[in-house]
Amino acid sequence: DIVMTQSPDSLAVSLGERATINCKSSQSVLYRSNNQNYLAWYQLKPGQPPKLLIYWASTRESGVPDRFSGSGSGTDFTLTISSLQAEDVAVYYCQQYYSTPPTFGGGTKVEIK
Amino acid sequence: QVRLQESGPGLVKPSETLSLTCTVSGGSISSYYWSWIRQPAGKGLEWIGRIYSSGSTNYNPSLNSRVSMSVDTSKNQFSLRLNSVTAADTAVYYCAREGAGYLFHYWGQGTLVTVSS
Repeated sequence: DIVMTQSPDSLAVSLGERATINCKSSQSVLYRSNNQNYLAWYQLKPGQPPKLLIYWASTRESGVPDRFSGSGSGTDFTLTISSLQAEDVAVYYCQQYYSTPPTFGGGTKVEIK
Repeated sequence: QVRLQESGPGLVKPSETLSLTCTVSGGSISSYYWSWIRQPAGKGLEWIGRIYSSGSTNYNPSLNSRVSMSVDTSKNQFSLRLNSVTAADTAVYYCAREGAGYLFHYWGQGTLVTVSS
């Protein structure tokens, strides 16, 4: 199985400031034939369905605010919230869908400082 | 808008079988893969397995021997059965719909299942 490792476990950011979450995979999730990274990011809030934010490492899901962006390739990826809003308090997970079984990172809890 | 809703007992005894159903509304269950994913308290997400609308399945090898899934297209529902449960199976269980392979676009709200005597 591909192991996904996120850092940090939690971070506290002031409103309007940048939040950066890292995700590392134990092997590359870049599929050479189509040059796509099979890496997604999800947002989990208590009592709500998890929400897909980013897929193909950098493509925003429809309706996701543009303050959320994804970057990286191969084994190292980043989710950035450019200007943290109160409604962004949540736990964020990366996931690889390159191979089966799909696997998730351990999560990063984002809070307001 | 596709909506998914998990249902089933919130408490299961050790060694018994956990059974959950996911009801899909706002769209057809046909021609999609449908997954179950769980999250033990304080831990990350774990993919359990998936079923296609035709009934074909793929399971996580870590749970393969204890898992079975079924689909009822007439009711727009699919189900999970996990047998011989232990306390380690206590988790929030989510159902989800895939877009591209193993990419989960739609999720249910999740249901907590506790394994305890």
